[in-house]
Amino acid sequence: QLQLQESGPGLVKPSETLSLTCTVSGGSISSSSYYWGWIRQPPGKGLEWIGSIYYGGSTYYKPSLKSRVTISVDTSKNQFSLKLSSVTAADTAVYYCARHDLGAAAGGWLFDYWGQGTLVTVSS
Amino acid sequence: QSALTQPASVSGSPGQSITISCTGTSSDVGGYNYVSWYQQHPGKAPKLMIYDVSNRPSGVSNRFSGSKSGNTASLTISGLQAEDEADYYCSSYRSSSTLVFGGGTKLTVL
Repeated sequence: QLQLQESGPGLVKPSETLSLTCTVSGGSISSSSYYWGWIRQPPGKGLEWIGSIYYGGSTYYKPSLKSRVTISVDTSKNQFSLKLSSVTAADTAVYYCARHDLGAAAGGWLFDYWGQGTLVTVSS
Repeated sequence: QSALTQPASVSGSPGQSITISCTGTSSDVGGYNYVSWYQQHPGKAPKLMIYDVSNRPSGVSNRFSGSKSGNTASLTISGLQAEDEADYYCSSYRSSSTLVFGGGTKLTVL
């Protein structure tokens, strides 16, 4: 059974860079059928897609976040990572990693496996 | 980049059917058949319930169904059960290789 687990600091200071890692187990991140994505959810609010990456390094980002976001992949560790720079209180959210099917497998632009999420608070 | 429009809340009694709408534009919901629906219980990660407008992943009850007309997609839950009480989110592919979520709908089972 595929499992994803987010890890990283739960508290980040304003203007600094938020860094999270997602470790994939029970399957290979190098699957040709899937991308791997990050989604966030501010407390009490809705879901927001941040971006996704293929094991080969190809990325898609939400346009409004693109200038601050970097998603990278480490196939040797079966991990992918998120960096969000110049954070503010508005970036406080539960951050989820998930497997992203863009249409090569079961369907298009869906997330079928999710991590449990990790709360990141931006505060001094 | 505005979100898709969902009603903030819907409710229904056990055994009844409810429908949640998700309205977008011709650049997302209306232009592609890449609409998904997710169920989220409090404190839990979202769970995929419907993909490609009307397909159910393995293991999802056939009480859940999806459809689309024009720029509006819909999720219908029939035979409501207490366990269906949750937040529901739609998502859609949007032109230029991006994805957008709806604002979410809180379903209350009375």
